[in-house]
Amino acid sequence: QQQVKQSPQSLIVQKGGIPIINCAYENTAFDYFPWYQQFPGKGPALLIAIRPDVSEKKEGRFTISFNKSAKQFSLHIMDSQPGDSATYFCAATSGGSQGNLIFGKGTKLSVKP
Amino acid sequence: KAGVTQTPRYLIKTRGQQVTLSCSPISGHRSVSWYQQTPGQGLQFLFEYFSETQRNKGNFPGRFSGRQFSNSRSEMNVSTLELGDSALYLCASSLSGIHEQFFGPGTRLTVL
Repeated sequence: QQQVKQSPQSLIVQKGGIPIINCAYENTAFDYFPWYQQFPGKGPALLIAIRPDVSEKKEGRFTISFNKSAKQFSLHIMDSQPGDSATYFCAATSGGSQGNLIFGKGTKLSVKP
Repeated sequence: KAGVTQTPRYLIKTRGQQVTLSCSPISGHRSVSWYQQTPGQGLQFLFEYFSETQRNKGNFPGRFSGRQFSNSRSEMNVSTLELGDSALYLCASSLSGIHEQFFGPGTRLTVL
């Protein structure tokens, strides 16, 4: 019930491609869904976040699509660049800012030049 | 503005020892959360402190504890270390809670 399932585990795309990372959840009480990007040797950095009353959110080349009925959300990276090569984590939480984040297992993205 | 700092960055301990990790949040941030990151289990929430009070706790044994000081700096302690405690321990700070958290670079703990 508390899990967030993330797929794929790893992803290789060519520069300019649109990698898509998917996450699914069961707990309908989740109300905040952030995505984090982590480079080797660094802590995760918040990329973009969405709430369930919105079906899509864009920030620069990053887009979250949210399907409340299917309990799924995904990250799309437009015009991907080699500098986007990193591990991406989806997460979810309920209980407002006092909840705790449940993370997916991560997707290692490699963008080939 | 300086980011979240964690000390030490690397630590090697042996089984049965205890360890204390330190986190200095971004200036003005009052919420500090701790996470454990391992290849097998991924990122797991340990606990969150706000204004020196633990507000939330993850599913970890009592060997894992923490505290927060009046200047919002936080420490995490692990007693009676086990091999499975080897991990990257991440601290994150925010103004008020788990939304919009900023992570530090982590402390890499190796238990031999």
